[in-house]
Parts: sequence; structure tokens; C-alpha cells
Amino acid sequence: QSALTQPASVSGSPGQSTTISCNGTSSDIGFYNFVSWYQQHPGKAPKLIIFDVKNRPSGVSNRFSGSKSGNMASLTISGLQAEDEADYYCSSYKNTAIPVIFGGGTKLTVL
Amino acid sequence: EVQLVQSGAEVKKPGESLKISCKGSGYTFTDYWVGWVRQMPGKGLEWMGIIYPRDSDTRYSPSFEGQVTISVDKSINTAYLQWSSLKASDSAMYYCARRKQLWTDFDYWGQGTVVTVSS
Repeated sequence: QSALTQPASVSGSPGQSTTISCNGTSSDIGFYNFVSWYQQHPGKAPKLIIFDVKNRPSGVSNRFSGSKSGNMASLTISGLQAEDEADYYCSSYKNTAIPVIFGGGTKLTVL
Repeated sequence: EVQLVQSGAEVKKPGESLKISCKGSGYTFTDYWVGWVRQMPGKGLEWMGIIYPRDSDTRYSPSFEGQVTISVDKSINTAYLQWSSLKASDSAMYYCARRKQLWTDFDYWGQGTVVTVSS
């Protein structure tokens, strides 16, 4: 059981938008603005796509956006493209003893 | 260019020991934490632990405390993950990744090391 809860799968058609949720608690997502999102294609290492809730690293498409409300963070992917088909993981800071928690991952299928 | 280069795939027998490595380059190694993440076949990411190369300050996930040892040799910009007695359930992909502060994101990742434990 993962510390953060994500839907196992989401899907969308090319050009549409889709949102992946990430539910935590008042001790992690609800308390800190240190939520990050990672994209992982099959057989590849994870790649950072969102940090500090809503910021994109250089080179990441602006079709990816992040937000947070209460204990839930969200990743929205607009204008879906075939290359967006991948697994997505959220992560949050929790405390100095357990600084990293991950969600269970969400498989995005582009129909 | 920032790079984290991990050691190659390993095939071991249950009960054997193993130490895999992660060498950082293109940045000041002692300025960033290095974390280890397990991914079992077909499963999600699991944080194992993290080390600060400057002073070897180390934190472990409760799930992995006592099961693995994380260490570093800052003279050669390399972090390590080791097992003293492998189990079949340790078969997985292992990634290293760096983060600037304990609370920030993993901005660069290694390519991963596959560990297979089988009799």
C-alpha cells in the first residue's frame, strides 16, 4: 500500500485533456508545497515533469501542469499526444525521517 | 552535463552479498543528496533511502531499514547500495537519483541497475 493514492489507470483521446489525482494527508501534501510528478516510459528511468506542486523543469512541455487543493495534488495533461502514454508517479515530502513518499503510479493510455 | 551512471546488471544467488554503485558527474557531488528507489517487475516506485555525500547523513525508509546499507565515497563521487544476504524478493530494478535538498524533487536519475536473485 503506497503512502499516496493514485488511480491505477486513466485514458484519453489525442487532443483531449486528462487529470491524474494524488491523495495524501494533512501531514504531507496538505502541509508542504513539495509535490513532484514523474513520467516513466516502459524500460526507462523516471523523468521529473513537475516540481514544487506546479513548476515545470526546463524542457518539459507546457501541456503538463500541476496543482494542489488541500490534501490532494493533481497533474493535468492537455492536448494529449501518443508520446504521453506512460506511467505517472506523484511524490511528496513528508518529514526529515521519511523525506520521500511516492504514489502507486497511474498508467495513462492514449486511445 | 549532469549524469548519474549506475553499475551494470547483476545476477546473484540467494544468500550472496552485493554492492551496486551510482557515480555522479557534471555537478558538485557533495552538494546534492543521492537517493535509491526500488521498482519491482511491473510495480511502482518505492523509496529506499537517501544519503548526503558531504557528511554521510543517511535516512532509510522503514520498509528497508536493516535490509540494505547505503554508503558513499565522496572522493570518487560514488554512492552505493548494498545487501549482505540477498533474497529472491530483492530481484528488481534499482535507481539512484539526486535531490538538492531533503525536501525537494529528484531532478536527475540514473539509468537503473537490474538485480536478479535466483538459485
